[in-house]
Amino acid sequence: DQQVKQNSPSLSVQEGRISILNCDYTNSMFDYFLWYKKYPAEGPTFLISISSIKDKNEDGRFTVFLNKSAKHLSLHIVPSQPGDSAVYFCAASAPGGGADGLTFGKGTHLIIQP
Amino acid sequence: EAGVAQSPRYKIIEKRQSVAFWCNPISGHATLYWYQQILGQGPKLLIQFQNNGVVDDSQLPKDRFSAERLKGVDSTLKIQPAKLEDSAVYLCASSLDGPYEQYFGPGTRLTVT
Repeated sequence: DQQVKQNSPSLSVQEGRISILNCDYTNSMFDYFLWYKKYPAEGPTFLISISSIKDKNEDGRFTVFLNKSAKHLSLHIVPSQPGDSAVYFCAASAPGGGADGLTFGKGTHLIIQP
Repeated sequence: EAGVAQSPRYKIIEKRQSVAFWCNPISGHATLYWYQQILGQGPKLLIQFQNNGVVDDSQLPKDRFSAERLKGVDSTLKIQPAKLEDSAVYLCASSLDGPYEQYFGPGTRLTVT
């Protein structure tokens, strides 16, 4: 049972355009959502997060949108740059006695075309 | 600030052998996590420590996997005996408080032949 789903294994975007990565979740107990970026042979790097009490969080070129009723979140990157080419993971956390390990999606490989 | 350190970076063993991975979290981070990432999948939580106590090990295959964090700092994850399906990258992460901004190490790539 996959609780966090990233249905696009890969996405190709032209440099300078907007990249939109999508994520759906099924567990209504999730209350904190994060996006991680991963380069080959490195560990995931934290990018941006959002709490369930918000519907938008922005940090420079990166904006995350949360639609709780649809159990959907998206990451927007504007403008896309070549260094953004990486695998992006959506992750979620649910409260519960201090247990706050993350549940990850399978990732989306973003390719920025020059 | 030094990041999360892991060793070894790569390990190849035969099935039924044992293996151990080491992790040193960011200084001052009370919470430490071990994740398993199988090729083509996202990381999956194996165990979470708060200081030297286990908070969540519900997804740890306890018949063959064990982990410890004796002094509340560095941690060791062991597999004994290894199976072919244990081939994966084992990631260690730490955080100051809660799930917010977990910092990941580079991982250990395990190949079981």
